[in-house]
Amino acid sequence: DIQMTQSPSSLSASVGDRVTITCRASQTISSYLNWYQQKPGKAPKLLIYAASSLQSGVPSRFRGSGSGTDFTLTISSLQPEDFATYYCQQSYITPFTFGPGTKVDIK
Amino acid sequence: EVQLVESGGDVVQPGGSLRLSCAASGFTFSGSPIHWVRQASGKGLEWVGRIRSKDDSYATGYGASVKGRFTISRDDSKNTAYLQMNSLKTEDTAVYYCTRQTSSYWYFDLWGRGTLVTVSS
Repeated sequence: DIQMTQSPSSLSASVGDRVTITCRASQTISSYLNWYQQKPGKAPKLLIYAASSLQSGVPSRFRGSGSGTDFTLTISSLQPEDFATYYCQQSYITPFTFGPGTKVDIK
Repeated sequence: EVQLVESGGDVVQPGGSLRLSCAASGFTFSGSPIHWVRQASGKGLEWVGRIRSKDDSYATGYGASVKGRFTISRDDSKNTAYLQMNSLKTEDTAVYYCTRQTSSYWYFDLWGRGTLVTVSS
C-alpha cells in the first residue's frame, strides 16, 4: 500500500498568514493527489484535485502543487473560515490512502 | 439536489452485523463508482472500500482492516449503495461516509454527511 505522510501535524496561524502544508507519498503517484478540508462534525470537502486543479467554488487563495512523491497545499492569506483539518489523499491505486491530517488553528 | 445520504448507523455488540445504506440523488448514480470512508472519533480518514459501476463489472476492493468482513454492493435501480459489516469489532466504531468517485483522476467530489456506527458491549 502507498503510505502518505503530512507535515506539520498541526500549526497555529493568524488571519492573513500564508500557510503551507506538505504531503509525501511512499512511491510515485504522478499527479493523483487530492486535498480535502474537514471542519468538526462535518464531512470532508474537496479543495484540490489532480495535485493542482482547484475544485469549483473553492476560493483561489488555495493552491496545490507538486507531482511524483512530493506535494504542497498553500493558503495564500488565511481566512477565519479556513481553520480546519486538511488531508491529502492519493487516488493512484487502491487502497486510496489518506495522510494523517494537518490541523490549522488560531494563533 | 445532488447528494448522498447515509443511513443505518447504530449501536451493535462485538461480533454482530450491520448494513449501512447510501442513497444517491440528483446525478446518474449507475455510472459512478462509490467508496466508503470511515473516521473514528478524533482520528483521521480511513478508506474502507469501493464498488465500481456496471461497466466495470461492479468490481469491489477493500482495505486490509475490513477485508473478509465487510462487503460493498449496489442496487442501481434504487440509486443506493450498501456496506454490509459482519464480525464487527470495537475498532470499527466510527462515522462512515459514502462518497462519489469521479471518472478522471479518481477524486471524491461528493460526500454524504456520515452515519455513526458504535460497536460496544
